[in-house]
Amino acid sequence: QKEVEQNSGPLSVPEGAIASLNCTYSDRGSQSFFWYRQYSGKSPELIMFIYSNGDKEDGRFTAQLNKASQYVSLLIRDSQPSDSATYLCAARRGSTLGRLYFGRGTQLTVWP
Amino acid sequence: KAGVTQTPRYLIKTRGQQVTLSCSPISGHRSVSWYQQTPGQGLQFLFEYFSETQRNKGNFPGRFSGRQFSNSRSEMNVSTLELGDSALYLCASSLGQTSTDTQYFGPGTRLTVL
Repeated sequence: QKEVEQNSGPLSVPEGAIASLNCTYSDRGSQSFFWYRQYSGKSPELIMFIYSNGDKEDGRFTAQLNKASQYVSLLIRDSQPSDSATYLCAARRGSTLGRLYFGRGTQLTVWP
Repeated sequence: KAGVTQTPRYLIKTRGQQVTLSCSPISGHRSVSWYQQTPGQGLQFLFEYFSETQRNKGNFPGRFSGRQFSNSRSEMNVSTLELGDSALYLCASSLGQTSTDTQYFGPGTRLTVL
């Protein structure tokens, strides 16, 4: 079982819709979780991170964490074509601060 | 603040050669992590250096090595290159002191092994 699993997609939504990206993790020692966006041919860029149960909002993005279910999600409201990218979920254990465990990513396409 | 820089951006090598990649972290960051990204395997962790010491290591063969200098700049070396080493090599820097410290990625080095 991989450390971090993401729904593989691809996910396709119309412009203006809500895109929902999901991620589960296997190690209960994971303490913090990160969402990165990666455009084709580019390096990952950080969208946001979360470490407490519940929701965390940043502009059009909302991250949700449920430690009991070992589940992390990212909602993108009012999706734009410029949001079309691969979204990577990553987890960090408290015991290995310098290492992130990445999922395989979910490819999102927002069509006009 | 300047971001993470990596050099070179592109490399073409042949099997059996060796290669050295360089990464300069964000000023003040003491942790540098290296990842390999391929279409088939996704992002895989190579190793992490913190204050010139290797703190974490992934499951890569000994052909992959690294080091960090006193100014936090890091290099990784791959010896005896194989075709399967063709990948995007990414380094990421962070403060490296708490579990919420964010990692910021450099632009990557695209390595092609022929």
